Amino acid sequence: DAMVIQNPRYQVTQFGKPVTLSCSQTLNHNVMYWYQQKSSQAPKLLFHYYDKDFNNEADTPDNFQSRRPNTSFCFLDIRSPGLGDAAMYLCATSRETGGNNEQFFGPGTRLTVL
Amino acid sequence: GQNIDQPTEMTATEGAIVQINCTYQTSGFNGLFWYQQHAGEAPTFLSYNVLDGLEEKGRFSSFLSRSKGYSYLLLKELQMKDSASYLCAVRDWATGGGNKLTFGTGTQLKVEL
Repeated sequence: DAMVIQNPRYQVTQFGKPVTLSCSQTLNHNVMYWYQQKSSQAPKLLFHYYDKDFNNEADTPDNFQSRRPNTSFCFLDIRSPGLGDAAMYLCATSRETGGNNEQFFGPGTRLTVL
Repeated sequence: GQNIDQPTEMTATEGAIVQINCTYQTSGFNGLFWYQQHAGEAPTFLSYNVLDGLEEKGRFSSFLSRSKGYSYLLLKELQMKDSASYLCAVRDWATGGGNKLTFGTGTQLKVEL
């Protein structure tokens, strides 16, 4: 059974055209994360939600926004995608933060910017 | 912030044992995770260490030495399907309220016949 679902798996957008990536979870976890992963690089945390509490990373560009309307769903909005934003975007969840709470990752959305 | 170092790539033979090392620097160590990531797929959790010593889970084991800032992932009885990238990730009390995972760039393991 799918636990962390990301749609679409592949997304193509044009330079400057807003795009939204979606993530949903069936685990009822409190925490949801968005990572950006470029080819042969480490996943880089953009932000995370603990319930409705939003936590932005200091170096996440303003171009990236997120929404979590309920426990199950979280969205990544890229307001004006640039060529440098082409990457794999990974959504992850964990029951809690800290301790041995592992993060469960979705399959990712690969974003192409033309 | 953290500095996490792993070898970029390794090659091993089917049926053999391979050890993937990870060294890190943190201000306040708060746990280390190993993830497996096949090409084009999401990372999947392998192991978690927070105390010194060895954690064994089937063919995979992970070791931690906090004083040395060192961990390794040991894979036994290698199978072709073990060809993947192995990511070391560290949590640090000093970043993200102690909740943020910082990933290394991963070690690409190739298993050959």
